[in-house]
Amino acid sequence: NAGVTQTPKFQVLKTGQSMTLQCAQDMNHNSMYWYRQDPGMGLRLIYYSASEGTTDKGEVPNGYNVSRLNKREFSLRLESAAPSQTSVYFCASSEGGRSYNEQFFGPGTRLTVL
Amino acid sequence: GESVGLHLPTLSVQEGDNSIINCAYSNSASDYFIWYKQESGKGPQFIIDIRSNMDKRQGQRVTVLLNKTVKHLSLQIAATQPGDSAVYFCAESPTLSTLTFGKGTMLLVSP
Repeated sequence: NAGVTQTPKFQVLKTGQSMTLQCAQDMNHNSMYWYRQDPGMGLRLIYYSASEGTTDKGEVPNGYNVSRLNKREFSLRLESAAPSQTSVYFCASSEGGRSYNEQFFGPGTRLTVL
Repeated sequence: GESVGLHLPTLSVQEGDNSIINCAYSNSASDYFIWYKQESGKGPQFIIDIRSNMDKRQGQRVTVLLNKTVKHLSLQIAATQPGDSAVYFCAESPTLSTLTFGKGTMLLVSP
């Protein structure tokens, strides 16, 4: 059981470039999430997918798009990267459904936009 | 406590002491609360959770206390060890699907 995996681990982009961050989970979870974490800050929700086939905006969705490719995979795309998107990006998953349950996090992707 | 700007509140303790990390949450409608531990360069790791119908929950060496009247959450770590050094985040669940995180407290444990 790998849990939540993210690729790549590190990435450097130039302003205006695009890229997709990949996330996969092997826990058969229904819900998946993308967060960003800036230095000295907590995690802020970008987008989430409560179940396969649905996606919703979180607190800071501007400049991002997501795709819930299937139950296992949830990708985050930056169409035109900006220096303000320099951050550490975490993917998470949870069972979802009608009860509260914890989210399990991946190791993160460290993104620098020059 | 909550941080201001880039500077995380820091709690420094000696190995073997008990640690108490505090958190004020914002949404009185939140029904579920979680504490996460984040070590440097890693993703957050679940420690313990509590539902709003409880005021205390114990795990192994950790206890979470919830005071809904003043919207306050605390994490108590017994016999703190150097391996407990990390940033600790509280999170509240305003909806079934999402968590809202606090800014974190850094715990430093000296041998």
